[in-house]
Amino acid sequence: NAGVTQTPKFQVLKTGQSMTLQCAQDMNHEYMSWYRQDPGMGLRLIHYSVGAGITDQGEVPNGYNVSRSTTEDFPLRLLSAAPSQTSVYFCASSYQDSLKGGYTFGSGTRLTVV
Amino acid sequence: DAKTTQPTSMDCAEGRAANLPCNHSTISGNEYVYWYRQIHSQGPQYIIHGLKNNETNEMASLIITEDRKSSTLILPHATLRDTAVYYCIVKNIGVRSGNTGKLIFGQGTTLQVKP
Repeated sequence: NAGVTQTPKFQVLKTGQSMTLQCAQDMNHEYMSWYRQDPGMGLRLIHYSVGAGITDQGEVPNGYNVSRSTTEDFPLRLLSAAPSQTSVYFCASSYQDSLKGGYTFGSGTRLTVV
Repeated sequence: DAKTTQPTSMDCAEGRAANLPCNHSTISGNEYVYWYRQIHSQGPQYIIHGLKNNETNEMASLIITEDRKSSTLILPHATLRDTAVYYCIVKNIGVRSGNTGKLIFGQGTTLQVKP
């Protein structure tokens, strides 16, 4: 199993550009989430999904869109990149049944907006 | 989900046990205690979780007090690679019990293992 795969690993954008961060998992997890982590700071939840076709906002959703058309994929779209969105982005997934364990995280996408 | 309180930082000597405390005085009956850690620049890693009984796996042990208002994560023989930020999270489990799929991180405890 590959686990949670995030692409790209690094990205530099110009202010105003749009892009999609990809996240895929092969563990048949129902739940998926996106987090951002600014330098020296904690993780903040952007958006999350409890299943295909269902998404909801987290703590810091502004400037980001998500969709969940399949169980496996949960892309994060930056509509118009701003320097304030310079961060490391982590995708995570888990079973709906929390007794099966915790979230599995990807290795992150390091985004710089200039 | 109930809030948790953890010390900001702790030190531990290599080879000794690291005991990381967490207070969760408002925990409810449907809420489990989860522990994650984040080694520098990596994605967080799930460690262990429990309801009321002590739990042990290959990574750590989790001791939950009888009143469930606090817990301790124990790394029995800390190594330099255990240097990380450790997060204690209280979370509802099961959709019927209010599990919304949200996992919110606090500030955690920065554990520094020293040679």
